[in-house]
Amino acid sequence: GENVEQHPSTLSVQEGDSAVIKCTYSDSASNYFPWYKQELGKRPQLIIDIRSNVGEKKDQRIAVTLNKTAKHFSLHITETQPEDSAVYFCASSEGGGTSYGKLTFGQGTILTVHP
Amino acid sequence: NAGVTQTPKFQVLKTGQSMTLQCAQDMNHEYMSWYRQDPGMGLRLIHYSVGAGITDQGEVPNGYNVSRSTTEDFPLRLLSAAPSQTSVYFCASRPTGRGTGELFFGEGSRLTVL
Repeated sequence: GENVEQHPSTLSVQEGDSAVIKCTYSDSASNYFPWYKQELGKRPQLIIDIRSNVGEKKDQRIAVTLNKTAKHFSLHITETQPEDSAVYFCASSEGGGTSYGKLTFGQGTILTVHP
Repeated sequence: NAGVTQTPKFQVLKTGQSMTLQCAQDMNHEYMSWYRQDPGMGLRLIHYSVGAGITDQGEVPNGYNVSRSTTEDFPLRLLSAAPSQTSVYFCASRPTGRGTGELFFGEGSRLTVL
């Protein structure tokens, strides 16, 4: 089955700095790559996703890049703010139809943004 | 529109006891799933369903049963709880078909097995 590795496990930055979280996956058939944010004691929520026909996607301060050849994708957060502090999970799946939901998650990255 | 509702939010069991975690969604989503979350291990898929009457195993199905008699409900049963099943459990759903792949999660159920 699919295996998703996520690094680093913890990341500490100063407010205003950028943060980068990286993931690799094993299944070449995977073509859907979402990122979820989970605040302490809360449920995971989708923040951005990318499909394999796109190399990069941006949404305000967050962006995701995908390298299908190397089987890795990354989350970039610019101008970090204390409210960005949370656990971030990458995930992958085959895309389309029922396969979208069968996500394999990475181990998570605890991001701490210091004021 | 309540989204995905899980009950109970907290539960303490003794080894060998049984219980059912309830999950209901009011978004008419065909796809429903159960994940468990353990420190340092991310979210691992237990079981999932693509519609009423259809269920399948995920990555860590042992010790858990599910059923899907209606589109709205997807209960997770622990027949004989073990300490290794101490975890936070999340139910999640999404619509099938092309379009957004976003999973909508419930608030989670924290289970402790003594």
